[in-house]
Amino acid sequence: SQTIHQWPATLVQPVGSPLSLECTVEGTSNPNLYWYRQAAGRGLQLLFYSVGIGQISSEVPQNLSASRPQDRQFILSSKKLLLSDSGFYLCAWSVTPNSNQPQHFGDGTRLSIL
Amino acid sequence: AQTVTQSQPEMSVQEAETVTLSCTYDTSESNYYLFWYKQPPSRQMILVIRQEAYKQQNATENRFSVNFQKAAKSFSLKISDSQLGDTAMYFCAFIASGNTGKLIFGQGTTLQVKP
Repeated sequence: SQTIHQWPATLVQPVGSPLSLECTVEGTSNPNLYWYRQAAGRGLQLLFYSVGIGQISSEVPQNLSASRPQDRQFILSSKKLLLSDSGFYLCAWSVTPNSNQPQHFGDGTRLSIL
Repeated sequence: AQTVTQSQPEMSVQEAETVTLSCTYDTSESNYYLFWYKQPPSRQMILVIRQEAYKQQNATENRFSVNFQKAAKSFSLKISDSQLGDTAMYFCAFIASGNTGKLIFGQGTTLQVKP
């Protein structure tokens, strides 16, 4: 069966520090991969998605970037964190190419910027 | 642009009773898919049910069912025999066919099941 791992679960970082959140999927090949951000008490906002290695699409301009160095690895990064980067970050995967297939989410990372 | 609206920020229901969560969406697409996700306090996002727009029959998964009204662009979730474990935030989500998995989420409805 397929599983998705996301870490760390919780992270507290100072303003201006770098960020690296990692997500890996097991049990499937060539998944679509996604990074979402959820502000407190709000819905999810899609940040990035990837349909293959090295292929990244950005949905909103921001201070963050994403990379996909391997088929089942998706990384969310920042060179310098802002206070507004605080939130709950969720990684997700889905089977390609059909959009009727649901997305499966990781357990999320709670990021607090001080 | 597609949008998803959940007009009920919070709802509560007594255990064993039935509750309906509302969701409306706006799109010019003719082929799309709709989902309900549940996010319990643990924050994990869990798929509850999905509906293909081309299917007239409403989807059902055990105690969960939907009322899909395509003309009205409405997609409500009914939870029967509510259980304490149903306490969670519920999100309605939309995706246009062939849109590379770009889910659009509503703002969410917090459901409290009371004993």
